[in-house]
Amino acid sequence: ELKVEQNPLFLSMQEGKNYTIYCNYSTTSDRLYWYRQDPGKSLESLFVLLSNGAVKQEGRLMASLDTKARLSTLHITAAVHDLSATYFCAVVGIGNNRLAFGKGNQVVVIP
Amino acid sequence: GAGVSQSPSNKVTEKGKDVELRCDPISGHTALYWYRQSLGQGLEFLIYFQGNSAPDKSGLPSDRFSAERTGGSVSTLTIQRTQQEDSAVYLCASSWGQLDQPQHFGDGTRLSIL
Repeated sequence: ELKVEQNPLFLSMQEGKNYTIYCNYSTTSDRLYWYRQDPGKSLESLFVLLSNGAVKQEGRLMASLDTKARLSTLHITAAVHDLSATYFCAVVGIGNNRLAFGKGNQVVVIP
Repeated sequence: GAGVSQSPSNKVTEKGKDVELRCDPISGHTALYWYRQSLGQGLEFLIYFQGNSAPDKSGLPSDRFSAERTGGSVSTLTIQRTQQEDSAVYLCASSWGQLDQPQHFGDGTRLSIL
């Protein structure tokens, strides 16, 4: 069974500082996704990472994938209040289509 | 519409009743997925459709749960004889089914069993 662990589960960030959150998964995967969820809202796709060494950036967020270590990181540069949300990473195992989600990283950015 | 549409947005029902949840995927998306999100279990996969077929229904928690998809479009998730542990947000997602495309999620149906 594919397991996904995210840490830290909760992170309080100061505006303007840089932070990294982590996603580890247990078995080989060929697809990893990052989603954002605001309270009471649905999931918004942020990044799709498909290969070892893949790096994607959008605004203050940058995601990377190391398939050998089974690790993805989401780096936040100069955090701002608007980035307060829960970030989920999800992985698809080889040969199937279902997403296995981690428990999420709840991020609160404090002015 | 432009996104995945789910109805109803909220449903409150008594234990033992049957419920039907509806999902309208993004037009043209061949793959459709149901997940549920609860505080205790996080986000769990329920079932995957490719067209009208369900090649993976391994996440359905019991035989009280069933789903169908018609015309390669709308899907209905049915829960029979609801139990309190069925209370959760039920999320539907759709995609083109290709590796480099994400699944796009609807706003969900919040189901509360009294």
